[in-house]
Amino acid sequence: EAGVTQFPSHSVIEKGQTVTLRCDPISGHDNLYWYRRVMGKEIKFLLHFVKESKQDESGMPNNRFLAERTGGTYSTLKVQPAELEDSGVYFCASSFRQGPYTGELFFGEGSRLTVL
Amino acid sequence: EDQVTQSPEALRLQEGESSSLNCSYTVSGLRGLFWYRQDPGKGPEFLFTLYSAGEEKEKERLKATLTKKESFLHITAPKPEDSATYLCAVQTNAGGTSYGKLTFGQGTILTVHP
Repeated sequence: EAGVTQFPSHSVIEKGQTVTLRCDPISGHDNLYWYRRVMGKEIKFLLHFVKESKQDESGMPNNRFLAERTGGTYSTLKVQPAELEDSGVYFCASSFRQGPYTGELFFGEGSRLTVL
Repeated sequence: EDQVTQSPEALRLQEGESSSLNCSYTVSGLRGLFWYRQDPGKGPEFLFTLYSAGEEKEKERLKATLTKKESFLHITAPKPEDSATYLCAVQTNAGGTSYGKLTFGQGTILTVHP
């Protein structure tokens, strides 16, 4: 069974440009999460999709970040325009079950974003 | 605000030298505490979930325990392949119905020398 896949693995862009990160969750996983690790900091929650609906987007830093999950399958995270502080590793994770006593997430390998 | 603190930041061990990693937390309503392992260039990989004080889980050379304020990850007779970053994360009532909304600690970088 394929795991969570993310693309690209590394992106280098200039400040002010746009970048779109993609995540393909494990097939059948309705729950999809985006997390981010900025250099020297802990991994932080960005948002949660259940199928195509945003369940919780309280961790999104500002309105330069836009996440979508069309059709409840893959998801994209667009940063427009990118700023220097957006540099970091963006992780996608998915899970099948939702509810108390669940929570095991399957993470992708991450997309490293470098903004120059 | 939920807080998770891991110590030490880095730990170097000789192969076979047992030790423990600590994860202390200050949260409003703990639902579960998770341990993940992360190898360089990879995403976190799930190890354990603990839900109540006194609970213990084991997997090979790893054993996780939970109290009302902290969790320990005990590593018995480690091998070089146990070298990785070990992450602690909590799931709390603040997550609402987003049960995968975790608050992570900064991790402990473990290096096991042959």
